[in-house]
Amino acid sequence: DSGVTQTPKHLITATGQRVTLRCSPRSGDLSVYWYQQSLDQGLQFLIQYYNGEERAKGNILERFSAQQFPDLHSELNLSSLELGDSALYFCASSPRGLAGGGSYEQYFGPGTRLTVT
Amino acid sequence: AQSVTQPDIHITVSEGASLELRCNYSYGATPYLFWYVQSPGQGLQLLLKYFSGDTLVQGIKGFEAEFKRSQSSFNLRKPSVHWSDAAEYFCAVGSYNNNDMRFGAGTRLTVKP
Repeated sequence: DSGVTQTPKHLITATGQRVTLRCSPRSGDLSVYWYQQSLDQGLQFLIQYYNGEERAKGNILERFSAQQFPDLHSELNLSSLELGDSALYFCASSPRGLAGGGSYEQYFGPGTRLTVT
Repeated sequence: AQSVTQPDIHITVSEGASLELRCNYSYGATPYLFWYVQSPGQGLQLLLKYFSGDTLVQGIKGFEAEFKRSQSSFNLRKPSVHWSDAAEYFCAVGSYNNNDMRFGAGTRLTVKP
């Protein structure tokens, strides 16, 4: 158990819908990362937050957005869902990842499996 | 920016045999290096990490990795594989001066009885 929690574990929804995935980082970790894992694309970095502020952006679609709240939990919002958005979505947290930079070890949650039908 | 390559998509070894998974990175400065393992349907678990110092790093579950700067490699090894080691293994490279962590495509390990 990494200490990172994600809800829900599974999500099935229809095309065009909007969903919200939730992540609670390990106690004390200020950095949160979101990843998408699919069979054809592998593990893709989406976005990182550090203490409530966006720090880095990866291959995140404009239909997707995220935020980190004052209590450090994070949400990933996926809208206008398409079949191709079906994937495992992971959240990870890091004990470091200072405001000035530095990519340190990340601890992954169990993931949310999203199925778009 | 840094990048990482795992040349082997799939490796099969017999239980009890030794294992080496390859990882090559590209980065101009000293990288931060990591190995993660993912069991089916699970999240990624950190096996070991290298920031600096001793180039031979010990991790959990009996794994070790060696940083070789001259070869830009960080190969993962285990002297005797157990059936429970069957999983997907990811190498990752980070940096001291940016937030950019790059993961390799992964190597799937199958263990034969």
